[in-house]
Amino acid sequence: GAVVSQHPSRVICKSGTSVKIECRSLDFQATTMFWYRQFPKQSLMLMATSNEGSKATYEQGVEKDKFLINHASLTLSTLTVTSAHPEDSSFYICSASVSWGTQYFGPGTRLTVL
Amino acid sequence: DQQVKQNSPSLSVQEGRISILNCDYTNSMFDYFLWYKKYPAEGPTFLISISSIKDKNEDGRFTVFLNKSAKHLSLHIVPSQPGDSAVYFCAASGDYGGATNKLIFGTGTLLAVQP
Repeated sequence: GAVVSQHPSRVICKSGTSVKIECRSLDFQATTMFWYRQFPKQSLMLMATSNEGSKATYEQGVEKDKFLINHASLTLSTLTVTSAHPEDSSFYICSASVSWGTQYFGPGTRLTVL
Repeated sequence: DQQVKQNSPSLSVQEGRISILNCDYTNSMFDYFLWYKKYPAEGPTFLISISSIKDKNEDGRFTVFLNKSAKHLSLHIVPSQPGDSAVYFCAASGDYGGATNKLIFGTGTLLAVQP
């Protein structure tokens, strides 16, 4: 149980385009989903917390107009990187909260912006 | 300010021996701690957790110890297996800033189990 999927697993795009990443909880309903970013050899950095049916809460330093998060249902959250630039290239990981404090993670999405 | 620290970036252990991974935290409001295992280009996998009302939690080969007075936790893996080779992250959460299940991650420790 507690399986989280992400799509796509890898995406390469041109600078200036937008990219959407989906995160789904497959066998449970998640009221809260989280989006992280991991740069090489660094820890996971929380970008935003997403609650179903409400606006996401962004961490300090994360541009909400650049990283659009939608949590339309209890099993789906999407992250859209708008007007992507090479510095946005990173490994994006989502997680879903099942019980208090425990998060289950998706497999991640490798974004490369040319 | 790194609130969760893993001071050892890497650890090498022989197969069959014990692996001990350490984690320190600074925020006394943290009251729930977790360990995750991560392979390259994959999402973290939940291993084991402990709440602050306990000082030990065991699950198979994995045991987590919590020393609240020292703000220190450790993960013991015994016996270690080559398949345990991965990066291990500790994470903490608590009722601070209103987000009760937001996780703060350490920087990770790369464990290499030698056959």
